[in-house]
Amino acid sequence: AQTVTQSQPEMSVQEAETVTLSCTYDTSESDYYLFWYKQPPSRQMILVIRQEAYKQQNATENRFSVNFQKAAKSFSLKISDSQLGDAAMYFCAYSGNTGNQFYFGTGTSLTVIP
Amino acid sequence: DTAVSQTPKYLVTQMGNDKSIKCEQNLGHDTMYWYKQDSKKFLKIMFSYNNKELIINETVPNRFSPKSPDKAHLNLHINSLELGDSAVYFCASTDRGGGTEAFFGQGTRLTVV
Repeated sequence: AQTVTQSQPEMSVQEAETVTLSCTYDTSESDYYLFWYKQPPSRQMILVIRQEAYKQQNATENRFSVNFQKAAKSFSLKISDSQLGDAAMYFCAYSGNTGNQFYFGTGTSLTVIP
Repeated sequence: DTAVSQTPKYLVTQMGNDKSIKCEQNLGHDTMYWYKQDSKKFLKIMFSYNNKELIINETVPNRFSPKSPDKAHLNLHINSLELGDSAVYFCASTDRGGGTEAFFGQGTRLTVV
């Protein structure tokens, strides 16, 4: 099984500030996909952003962007202009090329301070 | 129209009972999963099915048995429930091949008393 590691169990950020959540992973595959999911208190899993390993360009979605370092096997999420609604658990996830695997990190709980 | 639906949303039962959680997806996806989310919010993959065929079976007690009657359904049956089985169970699905996001059900909170 692939491993996905999130070393920050909890993070906090002031409203309107920027925060970066870390994720590293371990794989022997050359072609794979990485994701960040958000889980608010409602417990619904919501896709935040997606990155293809073969693409060098970092993915961005509005206030959310990633820093993908393939050689280092690192995939961090940057949230700019943090809003109260960003408060949630954030999970980093790995999917192999076959699509039969979908592994998650242990999650980072993000608190947004007004 | 819900993409991945699980029933029930909440389940409270006594130790030793047998219970089932149902999952259905209307996305036409080929792969379905069961995840267990414990009290620390860790999402652990339990099973992965592709076109009704078991692909991944992580270290899960034999009391847990998935059943996939067709590729749109993946049910989870749990025998002889234990206190440690209390958790939120998520069903998810992905399309064939890598790269597509996983779509999740709303989760089933199982409480064993």
